[in-house]
Amino acid sequence: QKEVEQDPGPLSVPEGAIVSLNCTYSNSAFQYFMWYRQYSRKGPELLMYTYSSGNKEDGRFTAQVDKSSKYISLFIRDSQPSDSATYLCAMSARGGGFKTIFGAGTRLFVKA
Amino acid sequence: GAVVSQHPSRVICKSGTSVKIECRSLDFQATTMFWYRQFPKQSLMLMATSNEGSKATYEQGVEKDKFLINHASLTLSTLTVTSAHPEDSSFYICSARGPGNTGELFFGEGSRLTVL
Repeated sequence: QKEVEQDPGPLSVPEGAIVSLNCTYSNSAFQYFMWYRQYSRKGPELLMYTYSSGNKEDGRFTAQVDKSSKYISLFIRDSQPSDSATYLCAMSARGGGFKTIFGAGTRLFVKA
Repeated sequence: GAVVSQHPSRVICKSGTSVKIECRSLDFQATTMFWYRQFPKQSLMLMATSNEGSKATYEQGVEKDKFLINHASLTLSTLTVTSAHPEDSSFYICSARGPGNTGELFFGEGSRLTVL
């Protein structure tokens, strides 16, 4: 079993839809949770960063962390064609050398 | 957010030559940087952890003599692909932990290496 599980997709939605992206994990020590957006042939761009459980909102993006279920989500409201990219979840714990573990990435296509 | 710059963004070289890729933290000091390799439509594969002033820590299966990492200052880490071969062609990305040594990682733009 991988430490972080993420459905690779692809996920195709119409413009304006609400997108839900998710990851599950097995290591209860993870404290830091991140979502990255990666366009083709570019480096990942940090979208959301959350410490421990709870919700965080930034514009059209909302990140949720449920540590009891070991489940994190990223919601994108009013999705746009420019949101088409690969979304990577990532998480780390301060112990163990602070190693960051990445999900496989979900490819999202938003159709105009 | 913190800015990490990577150079060159694209490089083509002949088989047998060496190629150096630079990773710089522009507005903060990074004692630790990370080097990844990414194949098409796949996630990031951590190659090594670069520590300022000390030897890099390589992941299992990564040849340290093939992928030389130098972290000479708090803002610069370099990856040198030595005696490159076509199978080394890939997308290489660096990252650095943000100021305050929190869990956030900031990535460079990536470098696409093509070995002919």
